[in-house]
Amino acid sequence: AQSVTQLGSHVSVSEGALVLLRCNYSSSVPPYLFWYVQYPNQGLQLLLKYTSAATLVKGINGFEAEFKKSETSFHLTKPSAHMSDAAEYFCAVSVVLYNFNKFYFGSGTKLNVKP
Amino acid sequence: GAVVSQHPSRVICKSGTSVKIECRSLDFQATTMFWYRQFPKKSLMLMATSNEGSKATYEQGVEKDKFLINHASLTLSTLTVTSAHPEDSSFYICSAGAGPDQPQHFGDGTRLSIL
Repeated sequence: AQSVTQLGSHVSVSEGALVLLRCNYSSSVPPYLFWYVQYPNQGLQLLLKYTSAATLVKGINGFEAEFKKSETSFHLTKPSAHMSDAAEYFCAVSVVLYNFNKFYFGSGTKLNVKP
Repeated sequence: GAVVSQHPSRVICKSGTSVKIECRSLDFQATTMFWYRQFPKKSLMLMATSNEGSKATYEQGVEKDKFLINHASLTLSTLTVTSAHPEDSSFYICSAGAGPDQPQHFGDGTRLSIL
């Protein structure tokens, strides 16, 4: 079965500190992986995606994520948090099963940035 | 960028009413569209995958007869909540993408309130 697990529903960091949001996936077929961000009262915005090219993927707003097949992980990082990074972050996996595409989201991690 | 239009944005209706929600991809063709339900302060729960030209595939626990999906063309999928009851009140979101390795583009969602 395909699934996405995000450890930590809430993460709090100080402004300027490293941001690390964890995502682990389970898939019986090669996955495509995505991170989305949702600001309050807004829709989902794509941060970055992994589609079997480079394992280290750079996205918008200084975020990056590394695909580690051996660990089945796709953790999201940013070297220095800004106040504007406070939002909810969703990891997602896309797979093709029996010729059908399926797209699943993790439960989300709410990032709080302290001044 | 690619745009997905979802209509209506909000529906308030009486118990027993059937409600249709439309999802259109405005500038690309989508053979697959996804329908999600988002509970308050929760992640997006995949309900079903809408496949153009074939039956929708539903996730476990989602009633096919309750949530009717029609993918009439490469740019339009509809979700009909039949005989809606208060427990069906939720935020419904659709998404579409150009392929499994491409990011999903999301509609703005439909807030359904059943009285």
